[in-house]
Amino acid sequence: GQSLEQPSEVTAVEGAIVQINCTYQTSGFYGLSWYQQHDGGAPTFLSYNALDGLEETGRFSSFLSRSDSYGYLLLQELQMKDSASYFCAVTGGDSSYKLIFGSGTRLLVRP
Amino acid sequence: SAVISQKPSRDICQRGTSLTIQCQVDSQVTMMFWYRQQPGQSLTLIATANQGSEATYESGFVIDKFPISRPNLTFSTLTVSNMSPEDSSIYLCSVFQSDRGTKETQYFGPGTRLLVL
Repeated sequence: GQSLEQPSEVTAVEGAIVQINCTYQTSGFYGLSWYQQHDGGAPTFLSYNALDGLEETGRFSSFLSRSDSYGYLLLQELQMKDSASYFCAVTGGDSSYKLIFGSGTRLLVRP
Repeated sequence: SAVISQKPSRDICQRGTSLTIQCQVDSQVTMMFWYRQQPGQSLTLIATANQGSEATYESGFVIDKFPISRPNLTFSTLTVSNMSPEDSSIYLCSVFQSDRGTKETQYFGPGTRLLVL
């Protein structure tokens, strides 16, 4: 089967750094994406890793280790508006480009 | 990035009826997908909408329940047929875009919030 594991909930304070981990077990692998979804909103693309290493986009960074089937999203200088659900998603290796989503991590940023 | 719109944005329907959801993209895209997100849950892929041919459905989803059309490269519809309360979900279309092969990205429409009574 195919599965992606991520913590269900994370709490952090404003200004802090938080890391959301994602481990995956899929029949194929092309890349790992991260999406943010606020309550009542649609998922918005944050970051994508196809190769091992760190990708940085402003306050957000994403890391991938293909050999460990593991990645994480790092959020720095947390702001209240970062309170949302964060999903990791795998693009399988079958050229279909469809996404398999993790169960999501609900991030609560406290003042 | 592609701009995606969906109609309707929300609806309340009676069981046994059908609802057709439209997805319009502002540019031609090769890959379009339909997802379902049940309350408090993650996103589940329903099917890949193929232009000019039948959609490719994921396990657990069938054409009779979720017929899909894709008449051109900018438009698709998803019909939720013979609805039951279990079909109450957010339905999202998405499109795939590739940035020179280095950044494989899917962009999502705003979603259609469906409540079946």
